[in-house]
Amino acid sequence: DAKTTQPTSMDCAEGRAANLPCNHSTISGNEYVYWYRQIHSQGPQYIIHGLKNNETNEMASLIITEDRKSSTLILPHATLRDTAVYYCIAVDGSSNTGKLIFGQGTTLQVKP
Amino acid sequence: DAGITQSPRHKVTETGTPVTLRCHQTENHRYMYWYRQDPGHGLRLIHYSYGVKDTDKGEVSDGYSVSRSKTEDFLLTLESATSSQTSVYFCAISERVDINTEAFFGQGTRLTVV
Repeated sequence: DAKTTQPTSMDCAEGRAANLPCNHSTISGNEYVYWYRQIHSQGPQYIIHGLKNNETNEMASLIITEDRKSSTLILPHATLRDTAVYYCIAVDGSSNTGKLIFGQGTTLQVKP
Repeated sequence: DAGITQSPRHKVTETGTPVTLRCHQTENHRYMYWYRQDPGHGLRLIHYSYGVKDTDKGEVSDGYSVSRSKTEDFLLTLESATSSQTSVYFCAISERVDINTEAFFGQGTRLTVV
């Protein structure tokens, strides 16, 4: 599975967009980019995923570069409840194991 | 919320004793995973299962064994608990490994080995 690299921490003002980058320069053609977040000590929560195209859902948008070597998770209007650790993971869609390998993630602090 | 239950939620045990954690799902999902989370290490995969009686090791499997005799239950056993296994353990489930799938996580089990 491709290794992902994320900044350790970021701050964002409440109400502003939070842009969380992820580098996955060794990603293969079968690997999807998934984003999860973990609020305090709860179990991680799925946010969004994509393969090549940009994706949007009710929680966030995912922008994947054309060469697929990096991506950005966008929370359009961050709230205090979005303070969490955000994980970017590359998942092999052709694998029969489905295992998720988490990195260190980015700690996003949303400030009033 | 996905039907996934971990038990117990909290446990204190003594060094050298065996401990079994249970993950139970009501979603009939094929894939099940056990992770541990420690400060400064994020989530690390211990073992995973891709079907009944089909399991494999993850990143940190030493000292742990698993069993999956039926779809809904995935058991994690610490054969002889050590203080280094004090951690928060998360179970996760997923249906498929392709587009339109996501993993659901349980609420975690906090294990303390004294």
